[in-house]
Amino acid sequence: KAGVTQTPRYLIKTRGQQVTLSCSPISGHRSVSWYQQTPGQGLQFLFEYFSETQRNKGNFPGRFSGRQFSNSRSEMNVSTLELGDSALYLCASSPGQGGNQPQHFGDGTRLSIL
Amino acid sequence: AQTVTQSQPEMSVQEAETVTLSCTYDTSESDYYLFWYKQPPSRQMILVIRQEAYKQQNATENRFSVNFQKAAKSFSLKISDSQLGDAAMYFCAYRSALWTGTALIFGKGTTLSVSS
Repeated sequence: KAGVTQTPRYLIKTRGQQVTLSCSPISGHRSVSWYQQTPGQGLQFLFEYFSETQRNKGNFPGRFSGRQFSNSRSEMNVSTLELGDSALYLCASSPGQGGNQPQHFGDGTRLSIL
Repeated sequence: AQTVTQSQPEMSVQEAETVTLSCTYDTSESDYYLFWYKQPPSRQMILVIRQEAYKQQNATENRFSVNFQKAAKSFSLKISDSQLGDAAMYFCAYRSALWTGTALIFGKGTTLSVSS
């Protein structure tokens, strides 16, 4: 069974641009969560999607948005990029909602802002 | 709000030895899940072990075991017979048992180095 696939693996953007990251969950998984990882702040939750609906959102500005498609694939968009958005963005999928559902992570997308 | 604290930024161990990584958490909830994740340089977060708060028995997965002390809100990871492949950053994480909105809350991580 293929794991969680995130594309692209690396991305370089400049301030003010926008970016879209993609996440394909494990087949059959319907819940997708996104996390931002930085050396200073560590791992922080961005949002969670289940059945195309955002179920939970972390404490990030509105520049960060996402969506989930009917096939459970998810995209994350960041607009008006800032230097502080440089981070590893991790996607995780689980079969369903609920704390007992183990989350499986992808390899992440490394976003660098120049 | 729940918080997770890992007080050891770095730890080191020799091959075949045992090492314990510490984690404490704060929550007002009675039902939740605790996890240890491993992140090697390849970046992928790998689930090492999971503990359900309502279970008193400590979880074990091969060489990995936890010491779960619910009253003390402590959740340490013991790695026995350490191997070079265990070198990685280890994250302790908390997740509510609520049906919706169950984000993982991570500690800052502990970098484990293993020497031969």
